[in-house]
Amino acid sequence: GAGVSQSPSNKVTEKGKDVELRCDPISGHTALYWYRQSLGQGLEFLIYFQGNSAPDKSGLPSDRFSAERTGGSVSTLTIQRTQQEDSAVYLCASSPTGGTGNYGYTFGSGTRLTVV
Amino acid sequence: AQSVSQHNHHVILSEAASLELGCNYSYGGTVNLFWYVQYPGQHLQLLLKYFSGDPLVKGIKGFEAEFIKSKFSFNLRKPSVQWSDTAEYFCAADTGRRALTFGSGTRLQVQP
Repeated sequence: GAGVSQSPSNKVTEKGKDVELRCDPISGHTALYWYRQSLGQGLEFLIYFQGNSAPDKSGLPSDRFSAERTGGSVSTLTIQRTQQEDSAVYLCASSPTGGTGNYGYTFGSGTRLTVV
Repeated sequence: AQSVSQHNHHVILSEAASLELGCNYSYGGTVNLFWYVQYPGQHLQLLLKYFSGDPLVKGIKGFEAEFIKSKFSFNLRKPSVQWSDTAEYFCAADTGRRALTFGSGTRLQVQP
């Protein structure tokens, strides 16, 4: 597609439920990133996928968070047993190549997650 | 750990005022630096970037940034802001990780 597409745009869930957030990157972009944007906290890196390499999961805050990228394209971020502190905007970005950010990232509009 | 600091959290200016937003990074090696902007209701977009060469880089909409290696800084400037510059601005650095490290952002409010 023309841009990075994320769905849903808004998600309200009850504490303890699982949620799945979807990201459809720009066609042909090999690198895909997930970030979390909390109020006043800036962008917190979560996970990075590059081609067929093992993902860099170093930013995932707990084992309740996981992500996969199927076929080198669409990615799903799953949060199990959601907690109120998980409330944030989850941003996905893609770039033509990975690693150094030379080309800059193209961001999606994000998914606003609210845990009640 | 590598980090990016933006000390101005909220800046309020009148139109035509000059702007300077601070950004400092903590990393001793070669670093690539970026400024991203998020206008209200829109997604993050690249404003400008520095990889090497001339430390004064120019971006879109009249913005520029100066890389000062000795100060570990990459401040964003604009000589005369407009109401349409109201947005949140994020500094980011490639510090050797495989993903960019972002600062906490500066919310700029320009009053007409």
